[in-house]
Amino acid sequence: GENVEQHPSTLSVQEGDSAVIKCTYSDSASNYFPWYKQELGKGPQLIIDIRSNVGEKKDQRIAVTLNKTAKHFSLHITETQPEDSAVYFCAASPNSGSARQLTFGSGTQLTVLP
Amino acid sequence: DGGITQSPKYLFRKEGQNVTLSCEQNLNHDAMYWYRQDPGQGLRLIYYSQIVNDFQKGDIAEGYSVSREKKESFPLTVTSAQKNPTAFYLCASSARGEQFFGPGTRLTVL
Repeated sequence: GENVEQHPSTLSVQEGDSAVIKCTYSDSASNYFPWYKQELGKGPQLIIDIRSNVGEKKDQRIAVTLNKTAKHFSLHITETQPEDSAVYFCAASPNSGSARQLTFGSGTQLTVLP
Repeated sequence: DGGITQSPKYLFRKEGQNVTLSCEQNLNHDAMYWYRQDPGQGLRLIYYSQIVNDFQKGDIAEGYSVSREKKESFPLTVTSAQKNPTAFYLCASSARGEQFFGPGTRLTVL
């Protein structure tokens, strides 16, 4: 089955700096890669996703890049703010259709220092 | 106000008892999922359902059971056969692949 590794496990940045979180996956059939933000005691919130037919996607301060050849994808957050502090999870799925089996990375605790 | 609701937020049970966690969605999504999250770890898939009256095992289904009698509801039962049931349980639903999560239920077995 799919295996997703995520690095780093913790990341501290100064407010205004950029943050980068990296994930690798093992199943070359994976074609969907979402990123989730989870605040303490809450459910994960989908913040951005990318499909295998594109290499990069941006949404304001957040961007995701995908390298299918190397089987890795990354989350980039620019101009970080204290409210960006949370745990971020990457995931991968080889399925298509309405129901996807997501395999999650182990998470990155991002702390933005004021 | 559309969304996914899970109840209760906190649940305590004695060892050896079965317990059922509720998940309801009013998003008209066909697919629903149950995940387990342990401290410092990612989410692991327990069961998922693509349509009413149909469900499949995920990676860690042993000791759990589900039903899908209505599109809106996907309850999860944690049975006494689950060796380490204390965890944070998350329900999700999807319509076109993107999964949206509920607020979670924290189960503690004493």
